[in-house]
This record gives sequence, C-alpha cells and structure tokens, in this order.
Amino acid sequence: DTAVSQTPKYLVTQMGNDKSIKCEQNLGHDTMYWYKQDSKKFLKIMFSYNNKELIINETVPNRFSPKSPDKAHLNLHINSLELGDSAVYFCASSPWVQQNEQFFGPGTRLTVL
Amino acid sequence: QQQVKQSPQSLIVQKGGIPIINCAYENTAFDYFPWYQQFPGKGPALLIAIRPDVSEKKEGRFTISFNKSAKQFSLHIMDSQPGDSATYFCAASKGIGKLIFGTGTRLQVFP
Repeated sequence: DTAVSQTPKYLVTQMGNDKSIKCEQNLGHDTMYWYKQDSKKFLKIMFSYNNKELIINETVPNRFSPKSPDKAHLNLHINSLELGDSAVYFCASSPWVQQNEQFFGPGTRLTVL
Repeated sequence: QQQVKQSPQSLIVQKGGIPIINCAYENTAFDYFPWYQQFPGKGPALLIAIRPDVSEKKEGRFTISFNKSAKQFSLHIMDSQPGDSATYFCAASKGIGKLIFGTGTRLQVFP
C-alpha cells in the first residue's frame, strides 16, 4: 500500500524520558511534516522538511528534534518529556514544497504520565 | 492568534440533509484552502480543496463555496449519510505548505 506510516501507534511513558516517533512515506514525495493534535483536536504544524532540509520550524521547545535521514523518512525525537507533550502526533507528506496537498499518517498517541 | 476561524463546533443532521461548515480567514496572502475529514483514531484525509481564483468546486457530494471578498469559505455535504459522521477541518496556506487549521467541526449524521 502506498501511504504514510508511523510507528509506534501508541506510546506511554514517564515524565523526563526521551522517546522517538518514526515516519515513512512511500509516495515518492519530497516534503514531509510533523503536526501536533492536542486534546481539543486542534492541529498545529511543528516542522517541515523538504528533501532532507528543514524549511519550517515553528515555535516548538528545543526538546523536540526532527531528523530526516532521507526524503522518505522523518523522525521526531523528544527529550525530557513533559505532561503537556501528551497529544497525537501526525506525520504528513506532500509531493513538493509548494504543492500543498498533504497526506497524513495514522498518528501516534503519546501519553506522558 | 487563530488565523482560520471555523464554525459551528458541532453539527447534527438527519440522513439526506445538507450540513454546511463555515470558515473565515484573515490573511489575504493565503492561496490554498483544503478541507480534511478525520475519523476517530485516524489521520486527517484530504477531502477537497480550492484556490481563490474560483468561487465553487464540487467533488461528488462535497462542494466548497469560496467568497474572496468576504474572506470566507464553506463546505457543503449533499445527501449526507451516517458514514459522513466525522470531524471536519478547514485549513489555509500560502507558499511553502504550512497549513493553518481551523478548530474542527464534529458532524453527526443520524439515520
């Protein structure tokens, strides 16, 4: 299946831990994104990479660090997790940076205890 | 600062009804206006999108109406079905693909 996939689907962890979420797309797209959806379902962009290069970096704590090893993968590492980081994180991709049709992954529900 | 305002927050209609969801934006530089549909536990899925050079776009039972002068756009769902029950998000962007989302509308369609 051609799609955007994320692992894991669920992540439960203690405050202060470090965790990573992985994203892969096999759509051949150049641009990938991370979004955060909070408990009120509000969706907000965090980062965007175009062909492994960071192009959007919203006001996100520097505990969050994205990494793109190649244009098909975009991972999100979070250090020193806090209660407020609990949310659903979505990865998305689009064909190229100025083509705004974005395809979303299934999400990773992060719960920080 | 909420750049895209969406209403209503929730909407209940009977099967066959025509729910209408409205969005208003502030930034006149926005040039792409998509609607996304999200089912519980799933990621948002692109439903339909419009650019400001047209006033209406139809895809199947879904229609976007766009009013550039009023800086508003809306989603109409014709002949709504229980399977359309989901949360709908409008969004807007300019240039480099940074989507600004509305706050979402939870639609329930009863048989």
